[in-house]
Amino acid sequence: EPEVTQTPSHQVTQMGQEVILRCVPISNHLYFYWYRQILGQKVEFLVSFYNNEISEKSEIFDDQFSVERPDGSNFTLKIRSTKLEDSAMYFCASREQGAGNTIYFGEGSWLTVV
Amino acid sequence: GDSVTQMEGPVTLSEEAFLTINCTYTATGYPSLFWYVQYPGEGLQLLLKATKADDKGSNKGFEATYRKETTSFHLEKGSVQVSDSAVYFCALMNRDDKIIFGKGTRLHILP
Repeated sequence: EPEVTQTPSHQVTQMGQEVILRCVPISNHLYFYWYRQILGQKVEFLVSFYNNEISEKSEIFDDQFSVERPDGSNFTLKIRSTKLEDSAMYFCASREQGAGNTIYFGEGSWLTVV
Repeated sequence: GDSVTQMEGPVTLSEEAFLTINCTYTATGYPSLFWYVQYPGEGLQLLLKATKADDKGSNKGFEATYRKETTSFHLEKGSVQVSDSAVYFCALMNRDDKIIFGKGTRLHILP
């Protein structure tokens, strides 16, 4: 069964450093997402991406964050100048064209900022 | 804006007990409704979904019915197992194309 894959599974970084989280969405999917889950809290929407541009972003997704689809398969989340409060599990997700289609999530990248 | 409210956890049950996790939603229009499950140390997995009123989603013995009149999508299972211990998230997706999650309900099943 096709799946969304994410790397790394866990990354520890020093405060102020830049981090890139990588995702390979399911191959025929056209809509891509990043979500975040701070430990013990709810899963929060960060950004959605379609047709090589951001279609929606939350208030969490400020200038510190950016997304890119550098080639036909990868979808990345860059976090510049990380802060302690950026420590969270980051989930990539994707779905096919069509209203109501299921969003499939990756296993997540756990980011720890120290 | 759209939102999802689900019962607070943790919920602790004995094996073979009946499970209900309540979920209600607020949304404009007719959202699709989902239950996702997160097993310890793992990511989010789709458990079941329903895309229109009166639809019943089911998987692995779990089921939930889309009730438009009560704006609810309660998750039920007739006989839980230890392996069902996880965090369960109710969620909706509306025309704005993103999933909105509830806060999650942690379920502990005792042998």
